[in-house]
Amino acid sequence: DTGVSQNPRHKITKRGQNVTFRCDPISEHNRLYWYRQTLGQGPEFLTYFQNEAQLEKSRLLSDRFSAERPKGSFSTLEIQRTEQGDSAMYLCASSLEGTGDPRQFFGPGTRLTVL
Amino acid sequence: QKEVEQNSGPLSVPEGAIASLNCTYSDRGSQSFFWYRQYSGKSPELIMFIYSNGDKEDGRFTAQLNKASQYVSLLIRDSQPSDSATYLCAVRAAGNKLTFGGGTRVLVKP
Repeated sequence: DTGVSQNPRHKITKRGQNVTFRCDPISEHNRLYWYRQTLGQGPEFLTYFQNEAQLEKSRLLSDRFSAERPKGSFSTLEIQRTEQGDSAMYLCASSLEGTGDPRQFFGPGTRLTVL
Repeated sequence: QKEVEQNSGPLSVPEGAIASLNCTYSDRGSQSFFWYRQYSGKSPELIMFIYSNGDKEDGRFTAQLNKASQYVSLLIRDSQPSDSATYLCAVRAAGNKLTFGGGTRVLVKP
């Protein structure tokens, strides 16, 4: 049973650069979520997909952030023109909706440091 | 007022004792409630979830839910040093996102 995977695990970038993260959910899961977590805080919801459709985006998600799940499998999260305030752990989670099981399982996260 | 509130701790517990963690939430439409454990530098790991009033037990863990009081708790029995972590309470309302509290840091002392 393969869990949620995320790549890269760590990313250091300079302010103003673009970065892209990848998430591979548990294979049969149809829902995929992105969260962001800063030090000492709980994760904050960013966006989620049902198959390839992006169904909800948080107001936290500025225009510099974009997420895709083109074939309903893996997803990418891109941050353009990074700012120091973007430094955080970016977490991906997946779930299987339609079965009555509400559990979301998290990947290991991508830690972003913007210098 | 935050949507999901937890005492940040640290909650210091002797080894073998019961750790009691509390969480309150503001959205009365909340339907499912989750407890995650997070070790430093790692991602959240699901411990258990509950959606009906009352108690739910899983091994050394018991979740308790009181929707009228908008309160959910987690008991850890026979606490072990390996239980030292931050425990995150998460709530799911009619939408699908999870709303997390800030977490309670637990320290189990041998």
